[in-house]
Amino acid sequence: EPEVTQTPSHQVTQMGQEVILRCVPISNHLYFYWYRQILGQKVEFLVSFYNNEISEKSEIFDDQFSVERPDGSNFTLKIRSTKLEDSAMYFCASVGGGTFNEKLFFGSGTQLSVL
Amino acid sequence: DQQVKQNSPSLSVQEGRISILNCDYTNSMFDYFLWYKKYPAEGPTFLISISSIKDKNEDGRFTVFLNKSAKHLSLHIVPSQPGDSAVYFCAAIGLSGTYKYIFGTGTRLKVLA
Repeated sequence: EPEVTQTPSHQVTQMGQEVILRCVPISNHLYFYWYRQILGQKVEFLVSFYNNEISEKSEIFDDQFSVERPDGSNFTLKIRSTKLEDSAMYFCASVGGGTFNEKLFFGSGTQLSVL
Repeated sequence: DQQVKQNSPSLSVQEGRISILNCDYTNSMFDYFLWYKKYPAEGPTFLISISSIKDKNEDGRFTVFLNKSAKHLSLHIVPSQPGDSAVYFCAAIGLSGTYKYIFGTGTRLKVLA
């Protein structure tokens, strides 16, 4: 089965530093997402991306966050100035987008630890 | 505003018995529902789904039931196995055009050998 690939699997950073989390969605998929899960809590929607622009974002996705699809295969999440509360598991996901009755494919996640 | 709710944070079941995980939703525009299973430090993996035009979908040991009038769905696992121990999330998506999947808070299932 096709896979969503995320790198790195773990990222440790100092508060205030910029981080970029990388994802390679499934190749023929059209919609891309970032979700996050703080330890023991729910999987929270951050942002969805379609046709090279953000289609929806949550209140979590403030000005410190940005997404980009720089080269047609990678999909990145940048956090400009990390805060302690950004520590979480970040999941990239993608879906084909042909119909609404489709399953969302997730990557294995990047564990971000902000010290 | 929690549109998808899983009111039981945890559930313990004996191996071989039935596990029933429940999920409630508030948005009547949701059209497609999914169940995901998640192990620690891994991404959620798709288990089974159901469209709003059906009330039941079965795949091996897993069956999802949908009660639209009650805005309730449930996942039945029969028979439960120790390898089923994981966190289970239900998710929903509607015909809103934004392709936004909303996830519940998860239920941690523990299957006891």
